[in-house]
Amino acid sequence: DTGVSQDPRHKITKRGQNVTFRCDPISEHNRLYWYRQTLGQGPEFLTYFQNEAQLEKSRLLSDRFSAERPKGSFSTLEIQRTEQGDSAMYLCASSPKLGRGFYDEQFFGPGTRLTVL
Amino acid sequence: KQEVTQIPAALSVPEGENLVLNCSFTDSAIYNLQWFRQDPGKGLTSLLLIQSSQREQTSGRLNASLDKSSGRSTLYIAASQPGDSATYLCAVRGGQNFVFGPGTRLSVLP
Repeated sequence: DTGVSQDPRHKITKRGQNVTFRCDPISEHNRLYWYRQTLGQGPEFLTYFQNEAQLEKSRLLSDRFSAERPKGSFSTLEIQRTEQGDSAMYLCASSPKLGRGFYDEQFFGPGTRLTVL
Repeated sequence: KQEVTQIPAALSVPEGENLVLNCSFTDSAIYNLQWFRQDPGKGLTSLLLIQSSQREQTSGRLNASLDKSSGRSTLYIAASQPGDSATYLCAVRGGQNFVFGPGTRLSVLP
């Protein structure tokens, strides 16, 4: 296991369809993050898991978005009733939990590029 | 609300030059700051992580500094090479997630 993997790498869908993305973190990392990135911008935080618990969600994550991390391993991000504004790169990152007073380095996957027609 | 800016937005230099990329943040209450590079259409590659108690970190030709009180970090790249061409992003952690800047797009010309 050499890094964070994401599947699929590219997804083209029609408006109104549901899509699901998968992220497999680095095996010993207990934290997992989802971000969205649009062209020319930095990534925007969507949500974050520590083990299987979803601890924080951004206001960007509307009711059409849901994320899960069953058993604290891989994670899925589902978008229901996709809209053209959902077109973006969806990035997943994982990190280890460090000791007291030190905070973790994030390692990113290659991303899933979503195009909504 | 934390806001992160990066200057310049784009930079083009000849090969071999030393260069500095700047990152500014509005809230100095951060836990750490991380620099990344991103190649077109790809994910982010971690370059350096500076904890809030540290002033700088070095890796090869890269050196990053952090001045929390002034809300600034710089990434210094020595002896730039065409392979350094990419977008460089800084991200600050204040809480459980990172806030990213928009990036600096670097082109190193052979």
